[in-house]
Amino acid sequence: EPEVTQTPSHQVTQMGQEVILRCVPISNHLYFYWYRQILGQKVEFLVSFYNNEISEKSEIFDDQFSVERPDGSNFTLKIRSTKLEDSAMYFCAYMGTGAGANVLTFGAGSRLTVL
Amino acid sequence: GESVGLHLPTLSVQEGDNSIINCAYSNSASDYFIWYKQESGKGPQFIIDIRSNMDKRQGQRVTVLLNKTVKHLSLQIAATQPGDSAVYFCAETDDYKLSFGAGTTVTVRA
Repeated sequence: EPEVTQTPSHQVTQMGQEVILRCVPISNHLYFYWYRQILGQKVEFLVSFYNNEISEKSEIFDDQFSVERPDGSNFTLKIRSTKLEDSAMYFCAYMGTGAGANVLTFGAGSRLTVL
Repeated sequence: GESVGLHLPTLSVQEGDNSIINCAYSNSASDYFIWYKQESGKGPQFIIDIRSNMDKRQGQRVTVLLNKTVKHLSLQIAATQPGDSAVYFCAETDDYKLSFGAGTTVTVRA
């Protein structure tokens, strides 16, 4: 079982609507990530989040995207006004520590379908 | 920019045979490499990793080889089983961000 829980598992939304994807890590880690995978393509980095701040973001992560860790537990990805091309699997991940340092552990993903 | 790629998008292998999946990278600064396995409908799962100060690392039925001279990474799966059918991604990093290659789809024939 993955050590992060992602919700919803699948969301269908209309173009232009706001979407919030949630991630709840079971263990207490400091580095969190959102990755995206368009169907049949590779896993793409969106954003990394460290110590409650964005540490790095990709070109994909434009002004329509935002991340938060509002209560120290949930880690959210918000898309303000979805576009058709936002349809993808969105994976939350965290970075291990100690012997597992630099290894990202991924959640099962949230499938977003924009109509 | 992206610096990781795989040589072949698909690989068909007979059950019981060994599989070899290849990956090329271009970032000389990369010092850590990971192979992930992704089954249908699931997130990537860690298989094995290797640091740039090593050229070989073995796990259970899997071996990763790193050739820094030609910037090449390979994953060998011994005695491939039906459960090994999945998409395999190599990933590399020189900091705290992983960059993934395009993936190789492995299909195991019974």
